[in-house]
Amino acid sequence: DQQVKQNSPSLSVQEGRISILNCDYTNSMFDYFLWYKKYPAEGPTFLISISSIKDKNEDGRFTVFLNKSAKHLSLHIVPSQPGDSAVYFCAASPAGGTSYGKLTFGQGTILTVHP
Amino acid sequence: KAGVTQTPRYLIKTRGQQVTLSCSPISGHRSVSWYQQTPGQGLQFLFEYFSETQRNKGNFPGRFSGRQFSNSRSEMNVSTLELGDSALYLCASSLRVDRASYNEQFFGPGTRLTVL
Repeated sequence: DQQVKQNSPSLSVQEGRISILNCDYTNSMFDYFLWYKKYPAEGPTFLISISSIKDKNEDGRFTVFLNKSAKHLSLHIVPSQPGDSAVYFCAASPAGGTSYGKLTFGQGTILTVHP
Repeated sequence: KAGVTQTPRYLIKTRGQQVTLSCSPISGHRSVSWYQQTPGQGLQFLFEYFSETQRNKGNFPGRFSGRQFSNSRSEMNVSTLELGDSALYLCASSLRVDRASYNEQFFGPGTRLTVL
């Protein structure tokens, strides 16, 4: 049972435009969400996070939106740059003792930004 | 500040052998988590250690084990290797010290294990 889903395996965007990556989750115990970027042969790099008490968090070109009622979050990258081309993973963590160190990841979305 | 380091970066073993992977967390980070990444299953949580104690464990067989040392460095061991154990093994460290705090995990580059 996949508790975190990224339904779009890939996304292609023109440089300078907005990239929107989507993520859905099913476990209502999740209350902390993160986005990671991953290049081939490297470990994931942390981008931005959001807790369930917020519905938006911004950091430079990256904004994450959380819709708890829909169990949906999205990552907006504006403006998109060719260097943003990578695999993007959504991850979630529940509060409480069962969450120690455990992130549940989606399958990833390959973002390609064309010059 | 130095990032998370993992050794070795690449490893080739044969079925039935055992392997030990090493992870050094970011200085000051006491929580270390391990993940397995495969094309079919994605990134899956193996276990987490804090202050030399395993606090959480994922759904992997007992052949997968780990430990943490007093300096927070961690090792994971896989015994009786199977072909399906071929994967990228990632270690992540975090400042997280209690259930109420939210701390991001910072990943190392991973160890690519190939089982022949």
